[in-house]
Amino acid sequence: DTAVSQTPKYLVTQMGNDKSIKCEQNLGHDTMYWYKQDSKKFLKIMFSYNNKELIINETVPNRFSPKSPDKAHLNLHINSLELGDSAVYFCASSQGQGSTNEKLFFGSGTQLSVL
Amino acid sequence: RKEVEQDPGPFNVPEGATVAFNCTYSNSASQSFFWYRQDCRKEPKLLMSVYSSGNEDGRFTAQLNRASQYISLLIRDSKLSDSATYLCVVNIRGGAGTALIFGKGTTLSVSS
Repeated sequence: DTAVSQTPKYLVTQMGNDKSIKCEQNLGHDTMYWYKQDSKKFLKIMFSYNNKELIINETVPNRFSPKSPDKAHLNLHINSLELGDSAVYFCASSQGQGSTNEKLFFGSGTQLSVL
Repeated sequence: RKEVEQDPGPFNVPEGATVAFNCTYSNSASQSFFWYRQDCRKEPKLLMSVYSSGNEDGRFTAQLNRASQYISLLIRDSKLSDSATYLCVVNIRGGAGTALIFGKGTTLSVSS
């Protein structure tokens, strides 16, 4: 069983479209995240949710809207896609906050290509 | 100053070599430190946590110097399978919680 699973693995779409990426974790973790890895391989945090509540939003454009229906799921919806949104998006989870609880477990990533 | 800085490399070493990576962080309040490993086109995976007293896991040794805000990773007896990007990770406080911030990574290539 995959611990953190995200779908789809690949997403190719046109500029201006709206798309969603889904993420689920079966580790019983309280905290989930979205990270973006750009073409220069820099992994940057976008959002963090703890028990369905948004706790970190790192100056991400409001075209990106995370949704956490329960603590095992954190989906990412992106409106009006732009060329610069092309990247690999990683979902991750951790047991909680603070020192030993913060170890991250990542999904396998969603490669988004905006044409 | 960037939050987490690493020498991007690449480090090209022969099998059996010892190689060391360094990382500096800007937030003196950071409390958690890790090294992650990322293979090409894969997700990052935890290599080891970094503790104040330094810690070792097989061929890997991690050190933390809080006064200098500096973390290191030493790999002894390098194997071909160690070829990957090594990411220095530090926690910072943001919003209502904390988050792990990644350095840009140091690329290691081990050759036979």
